[in-house]
Amino acid sequence: EAEVAQSPRYKITEKSQAVAFWCDPISGHATLYWYRQILGQGPELLVQFQDESVVDDSQLPKDRFSAERLKGVDSTLKIQPAELGDSAMYLCASSSGQGDQYFGPGTRLLVL
Amino acid sequence: AQSVTQLDSQVPVFEEAPVELRCNYSSSVSVYLFWYVQYPNQGLQLLLKYLSGSTLVKGINGFEAEFNKSQTSFHLRKPSVHISDTAEYFCAVSDAAGNTPLVFGKGTRLSVIA
Repeated sequence: EAEVAQSPRYKITEKSQAVAFWCDPISGHATLYWYRQILGQGPELLVQFQDESVVDDSQLPKDRFSAERLKGVDSTLKIQPAELGDSAMYLCASSSGQGDQYFGPGTRLLVL
Repeated sequence: AQSVTQLDSQVPVFEEAPVELRCNYSSSVSVYLFWYVQYPNQGLQLLLKYLSGSTLVKGINGFEAEFNKSQTSFHLRKPSVHISDTAEYFCAVSDAAGNTPLVFGKGTRLSVIA
């Protein structure tokens, strides 16, 4: 069964450092989402891509976060500089456009 | 804007007992509804979804949910739980348009007691 891949699974960094997360969606899925899940809460959308184009990045803190999906396949989410409040689970999901989204295992980030 | 309210943050239940996890939503447009399960330090796994058609939806692991449009609810049920069902459960809603992001509730922690 096809799955969404994410790496790394865990990342520990110091504040003010740069971090990057990678996501490879299910093959053929044109829509890709990045969500952030703070401990004890539900995931919240950071950015949505349709192929290589950003559809919605209204909740992305653009002073420190950036996201790209250059060839419309895999995607990278970057944080520079990281802050203590960025500690969270970062989830990638993909969709074929038929209504449901499939999530990867997530990257758990701890900023010290 | 859409919102989801999961009425119980924690639900303890004995093994083999039935359980219901409650979810209410708010939306001004037609919606798709979902339940996801999350085990510790893992991503979200889709349990079931309502897109259209029958309001009673059956999912994996013996779970089912019923869409009630008049009460704007989508409660999740299982007739007999197992220890392995211990996890966090999230209800989510999206526009019935196919390519819109999910809006999640805050989650319900189901703890199954032996």
